[in-house]
Amino acid sequence: KQEVTQIPAALSVPEGENLVLNCSFTDSAIYNLQWFRQDPGKGLTSLLLIQSSQREQTSGRLNASLDKSSGRSTLYIAASQPGDSATYLCSGAGSYQLTFGKGTKLSVIP
Amino acid sequence: SQTIHQWPATLVQPVGSPLSLECTVEGTSNPNLYWYRQAAGRGLQLLFYSVGIGQISSEVPQNLSASRPQDRQFILSSKKLLLSDSGFYLCAWSVFGYNEQFFGPGTRLTVL
Repeated sequence: KQEVTQIPAALSVPEGENLVLNCSFTDSAIYNLQWFRQDPGKGLTSLLLIQSSQREQTSGRLNASLDKSSGRSTLYIAASQPGDSATYLCSGAGSYQLTFGKGTKLSVIP
Repeated sequence: SQTIHQWPATLVQPVGSPLSLECTVEGTSNPNLYWYRQAAGRGLQLLFYSVGIGQISSEVPQNLSASRPQDRQFILSSKKLLLSDSGFYLCAWSVFGYNEQFFGPGTRLTVL
């Protein structure tokens, strides 16, 4: 059974800092790894999807990497902004279902 | 473009009452559909998924059920709510055979 762990559970950084969020998974036989953002009381917004055959994906200030052999993914956020404050979730995809970590709550301080 | 709707946005129900949450997707056909629950302090848990009309797979045994009466409509139901059913319910869709999932705005359910 897939288990996904996200460290740290919470992170507070000053505006402008670069930061890395970590995600680890136990079963390397994933179809893809997806990173989401969740604002309080809202649904999930898909940020990046990395297929199992890929190593990384980039969108704007976001870069996500995937290392299946070590069971790890990272989300790198460059030049953080207060608007980046949210909970970030990673998920590993099986044939139909996603297994989610509990998320990292990010606070970017102006 | 594709859009996913959920209603109601919030719901407060007494223990033992019935439940019906609705999810609809626009702009795509034959999507895979999913119901998740997010409880306080816990991660998202997949409850049901559907690959077609009338086809429902349950991931977690409980007093909830799901139905898919139309291609782009997914309904989550209960005959008698429990306190433990409180949570944030999210509907999601993906293109059939592909697993990038897109989520709706969610329904906040409080059972008193």
